[in-house]
Amino acid sequence: EAQVTQNPRYLITVTGKKLTVTCSQNMNHEYMSWYRQDPGLGLRQIYYSMNVEVTDKGDVPEGYKVSRKEKRNFPLILESPSPNQTSLYFCATNKGEGEQYFGPGTRLTVT
Amino acid sequence: AQSVAQPEDQVNVAEGNPLTVKCTYSVSGNPYLFWYVQYPNRGLQFLLKYITGDNLVKGSYGFEAEFNKSQTSFHLKKPSALVSDSALYFCAVSPHSNYQLIWGAGTKLIIKP
Repeated sequence: EAQVTQNPRYLITVTGKKLTVTCSQNMNHEYMSWYRQDPGLGLRQIYYSMNVEVTDKGDVPEGYKVSRKEKRNFPLILESPSPNQTSLYFCATNKGEGEQYFGPGTRLTVT
Repeated sequence: AQSVAQPEDQVNVAEGNPLTVKCTYSVSGNPYLFWYVQYPNRGLQFLLKYITGDNLVKGSYGFEAEFNKSQTSFHLKKPSALVSDSALYFCAVSPHSNYQLIWGAGTKLIIKP
């Protein structure tokens, strides 16, 4: 079954404690991206990757890092999380022509 | 700046009635147009897309969307709403026919029995 998986699904952490949210896809898509979803703001792109070792900033990259060492994985790293990064995060892949496949989401709370 | 507008934060429809969720865009050229749906506690799912051809495109779950080039609109429609259609709907546009999408803010659709 074609899917995008994210872990963890829920995470509560404290300010400044480094965390990583993993994303993995089994569709062999070259393009992957991370979004955050906040009420009233819709989806905002954090980072995206067109291929292995190629990453670019999206609309709201501050406070986040990503890496793309292999095609199937695209982890999101928060080196020093802050409360304003409390949000719902989605990983997505794209097979081309804009059609995206989303993971189930990770709800992050930073206290 | 390129943008996508969903002018209604929420749309309320009685079950069995037709529904329309509006989307307009300000993007140059001939973009690809999309609708996605998000059910509670789920990720977004692709509903339908317009690339070229017939202005009325059909998608999943009985939804369709009408492209109007002169009005730069891409409204989502369904002839007869179901309570299970209640969800958050996002319009998105791909300006360069590639991988990047510009997203609307989303419209909450509530279907009442």
